[in-house]
Amino acid sequence: GAVVSQHPSRVICKSGTSVKIECRSLDFQATTMFWYRQFPKQSLMLMATSNEGSKATYEQGVEKDKFLINHASLTLSTLTVTSAHPEDSSFYICSARGARSTDTQYFGPGTRLTVL
Amino acid sequence: AQSVTQPDIHITVSEGASLELRCNYSYGATPYLFWYVQSPGQGLQLLLKYFSGDTLVQGIKGFEAEFKRSQSSFNLRKPSVHWSDAAEYFCAVGASNAGNMLTFGGGTRLMVKP
Repeated sequence: GAVVSQHPSRVICKSGTSVKIECRSLDFQATTMFWYRQFPKQSLMLMATSNEGSKATYEQGVEKDKFLINHASLTLSTLTVTSAHPEDSSFYICSARGARSTDTQYFGPGTRLTVL
Repeated sequence: AQSVTQPDIHITVSEGASLELRCNYSYGATPYLFWYVQSPGQGLQLLLKYFSGDTLVQGIKGFEAEFKRSQSSFNLRKPSVHWSDAAEYFCAVGASNAGNMLTFGGGTRLMVKP
């Protein structure tokens, strides 16, 4: 299957700093990418959907000014957590799929963010 | 709105025993249904998916799932569990008219006894 990578896999930062997480589709063109958040022992919650070249669509309750998403190319989307706080500590997972809605979503390995 | 329920939070089975993980969904039209597996600290791996056609779907690692429209269910099965199957399993439903945005169930943690 297709491969999606995330970088970094782990990041620890101080409260108030910003952190950028990259999501790359390595062997296919990802028209649409999704960003999920997963708290310990819980399910994945969709944060936002981004289509290449367009503004991301955020789910209700997700602050767009705090979680900046950029999807400037067909292989790269970034999530920037601005002014991070300890409550932003979580496991962030991206997924990517091709142009068709029936295309499978392939998930990245996740990024563990810890805010001190 | 679509939703997914996985009634069992934890399941423990003996190695070699059969397995069935339950998944019930709520969606107005024909859903796209998925099962993913997640090992600790890892991302999600797709086990199988159902879009249309044969309601019994075969996946990787010996898993299968059956779509039952009348019961709004998509249960995951495996005839003989291996210790390496211990992981978290997520059922998800997607909608074609929402760009295949996925809604996940709460997950079922599978433990395998030797």
